[in-house]
Amino acid sequence: SQQGEEDPQALSIQEGENATMNCSYKTSINNLQWYRQNSGRGLVHLILIRSNEREKHSGRLRVTLDTSKKSSSLLITASRAADTASYFCATDGTSGTYKYIFGTGTRLKVLA
Amino acid sequence: KAGVTQTPRYLIKTRGQQVTLSCSPISGHRSVSWYQQTPGQGLQFLFEYFSETQRNKGNFPGRFSGRQFSNSRSEMNVSTLELGDSALYLCASSSGQGASGANVLTFGAGSRLTVL
Repeated sequence: SQQGEEDPQALSIQEGENATMNCSYKTSINNLQWYRQNSGRGLVHLILIRSNEREKHSGRLRVTLDTSKKSSSLLITASRAADTASYFCATDGTSGTYKYIFGTGTRLKVLA
Repeated sequence: KAGVTQTPRYLIKTRGQQVTLSCSPISGHRSVSWYQQTPGQGLQFLFEYFSETQRNKGNFPGRFSGRQFSNSRSEMNVSTLELGDSALYLCASSSGQGASGANVLTFGAGSRLTVL
């Protein structure tokens, strides 16, 4: 079964607004990563947060991690049309493996 | 430096045929992972190779196989194709070393397989 589940499945906002996506996972993790995928292309790494971190920033991105709730959120501030993409969280699932499990993704559409 | 290269980008096969997909990782990366992406199932982990050894395997039937060469290039093969194998197959490379989960994956553009 999927380690990560994102919600919402789809999100449509106006340019300039903030977009928040959530990810839940099922087992203990070492790290959680977020990736972006433009339509039909490969994924691009956005940010990695370690299990002992609670929040991390990178440019307009803010990621939080709550290991007690097994959840993470990705906030994109001041969204742009170019942010239109699908966003996935990925976890390493079981400690000691290099098997990354991806969530189902959130499709974000930013309207100009 | 050059990114992850996957070939072919698009291919069409018929049921029962087999297909081989190729992935050239970023220079210096020793880990190559393969994922199948379909609209209904999302990204599903197939397998991961490190220094020519399969280190992890997902829950796919034996028709799906892979290998890695000494130069870290990897191939995956799907035999006896079924309609449900139609998907975008993504390859990702990383250093494959260090703490689990701390490796950032660099993805190729994918190989889109259509099975008729």
